[in-house]
Amino acid sequence: NAGVTQTPKFQVLKTGQSMTLQCAQDMNHEYMSWYRQDPGMGLRLIHYSVGAGITDQGEVPNGYNVSRSTTEDFPLRLLSAAPSQTSVYFCASSYNGGDGGYGYTFGSGTRLTVV
Amino acid sequence: AQKITQTQPGMFVQEKEAVTLDCTYDTSDQSYGLFWYKQPSSGEMIFLIYQGSYDEQNATEGRYSLNFQKARKSANLVISASQLGDSAMYFCAMREGRETSGSRLTFGEGTQLTVNP
Repeated sequence: NAGVTQTPKFQVLKTGQSMTLQCAQDMNHEYMSWYRQDPGMGLRLIHYSVGAGITDQGEVPNGYNVSRSTTEDFPLRLLSAAPSQTSVYFCASSYNGGDGGYGYTFGSGTRLTVV
Repeated sequence: AQKITQTQPGMFVQEKEAVTLDCTYDTSDQSYGLFWYKQPSSGEMIFLIYQGSYDEQNATEGRYSLNFQKARKSANLVISASQLGDSAMYFCAMREGRETSGSRLTFGEGTQLTVNP
């Protein structure tokens, strides 16, 4: 059971570079989302998707783009990396459990440093 | 406005004792869900327990229970018989509404729990 797979696990970027963080899930979950976690803080929502072709902004979307062409994949693009984007990034997938309970599964995270 | 408040940055507990981690929330939705996650030093997010706003009984999962007081908007996590492996950061999180908001969680800032031998 792979669950949610994030790649890479670690990345160092120079200011101004672009890159894509990959996220894939094999549970056929409808919902996927990206969060960032800064030191000593909780997770904050960047972007989310409720299905293929549908995305929306979260709390901290600036500097990031997403797309969802398939149910399985939800990549996060950093357009022009800035030191303020140094963080740990988590991808999550979830489903509507029908009884109101939502099962969320998080990836293991990507630690990004922008220098 | 902060929607999830965890007022205890750090907590200490003796092994085998019980500990309560506080969480209060703010929402105008009638339908919402409350989660607790554990984040050990290795960094992964581990789901512990879930409480739906319409659930009449407090959720329990093994040594974890959620003390849900809807009128007070609190959802405290109780860990019974603490173990050394419980030392970690604990996050309270909320999902507001239903259906299309299902993928959005709002997190508190966390409580660092240390279990002493």
